[in-house]
Amino acid sequence: KNEVEQSPQNLTAQEGEFITINCSYSVGISALHWLQQHPGGGIVSLFMLSSGKKKHGRLIATINIQEKHSSLHITASHPRDSAVYICAVRLGGNKLVFGAGTILRVKS
Amino acid sequence: ETGVTQSPTHLIKTRGQQVTLRCSSQSGHNTVSWYQQALGQGPQFIFQYYREEENGRGNFPPRFSGLQFPNYSSELNVNALELDDSALYLCASSRGLAGATDTQYFGPGTRLTVL
Repeated sequence: KNEVEQSPQNLTAQEGEFITINCSYSVGISALHWLQQHPGGGIVSLFMLSSGKKKHGRLIATINIQEKHSSLHITASHPRDSAVYICAVRLGGNKLVFGAGTILRVKS
Repeated sequence: ETGVTQSPTHLIKTRGQQVTLRCSSQSGHNTVSWYQQALGQGPQFIFQYYREEENGRGNFPPRFSGLQFPNYSSELNVNALELDDSALYLCASSRGLAGATDTQYFGPGTRLTVL
């Protein structure tokens, strides 16, 4: 079993829809990251969370430490949001363990 | 601020060869981490360098080695290449070992194909 599990693996949405991507982990962590990866490989860090909730534009990330679960929400989705969204947890030191990613496609 | 850069962008090698990948960290960052991302999978942690010393290593064999220079740029070397080494290699820099408070900035990656 992977230490970090994401769901769904693939997601297709219509422009304007509200999107939720989930991440569950099985180990103790010091922080959780949500990353966005576009075709070609470039990764952008969206959020780093250790508790509660963060919001940036149309993106919202929440984390529940007790339940070892985090969600990434996208409001009013747009085709330019199409990308792979990756959850990564920070273990001791500076090691990141990544989920397999969720492939999001937003259709216009 | 200059972002994280990697070179080359693409590389094709044959089995048994050796390869060196390069990463320039973001200005002001002294920590570089390297990751391997196979097609369709999430990145896997290879190792991390902090102020020119290795600081943590994932489950990769010794033929994966690295180096960090005084200007905090870094190299990843892979010897005796195998077909399974074909992947996107990502480096990420951060401002020290601040634990839960730092953010890693990723480079665009080097796509390595081993034939």
